[in-house]
Amino acid sequence: GQQVQQSPASLVLQEGENAELQCNFSSTATRLQWFYQHPGGRLVSLFYNPSGTKHTGRLTSTTVTNERRSSLHISSSQTTDSGTYFCAIANTGYQNFYFGKGTSLTVIP
Amino acid sequence: EAAVTQSPRNKVAVTGGKVTLSCNQTNNHNNMYWYRQDTGHGLRLIHYSYGAGSTEKGDIPDGYKASRPSQENFSLILELATPSQTSVYFCASGDDRGAEQFFGPGTRLTVL
Repeated sequence: GQQVQQSPASLVLQEGENAELQCNFSSTATRLQWFYQHPGGRLVSLFYNPSGTKHTGRLTSTTVTNERRSSLHISSSQTTDSGTYFCAIANTGYQNFYFGKGTSLTVIP
Repeated sequence: EAAVTQSPRNKVAVTGGKVTLSCNQTNNHNNMYWYRQDTGHGLRLIHYSYGAGSTEKGDIPDGYKASRPSQENFSLILELATPSQTSVYFCASGDDRGAEQFFGPGTRLTVL
């Protein structure tokens, strides 16, 4: 199956700093989704972004499909951004999303 | 917004016992999924369904059964629970394009 590598595994930021989270995958992906997991466990979809760039608030996702990579940029981080960020991908014709192991983000005041 | 609910939210079971985890979605999505999340593994797919009456094996189906009696409901069944099945279980739904998945709040299962 797909291999999904996320980096870094963990990250600590001072409030106000920016963060860049990376997702690399082993073969062609036609579907890609970024999730945020609250410290309490709830998974929230941030972006469905199989190609190109999308923005919402302080978040930007950029996926370069033919290079098999995606990034999530968080600008002006806040303590409420703390949690774990997952990248998940799937191939054409398959229902299975493969998840990376996540990036744990801690933002300190 | 689409809604996926799970019950129970927490469960303690004994080894060898039967456990049923339930999931309900009001999104009218055809596709539903069961994942487990363990430290160091991210989320892994156990079973999924394309619609009422269908179940398919995911990446780690051993020790689990699934049931999809209706569009809205998808259950995960552990006939003989083992301590290795202690985990957090997430249900999700998605439309036919399979583009996005929407997750429930999770069920924390402990098998003693």
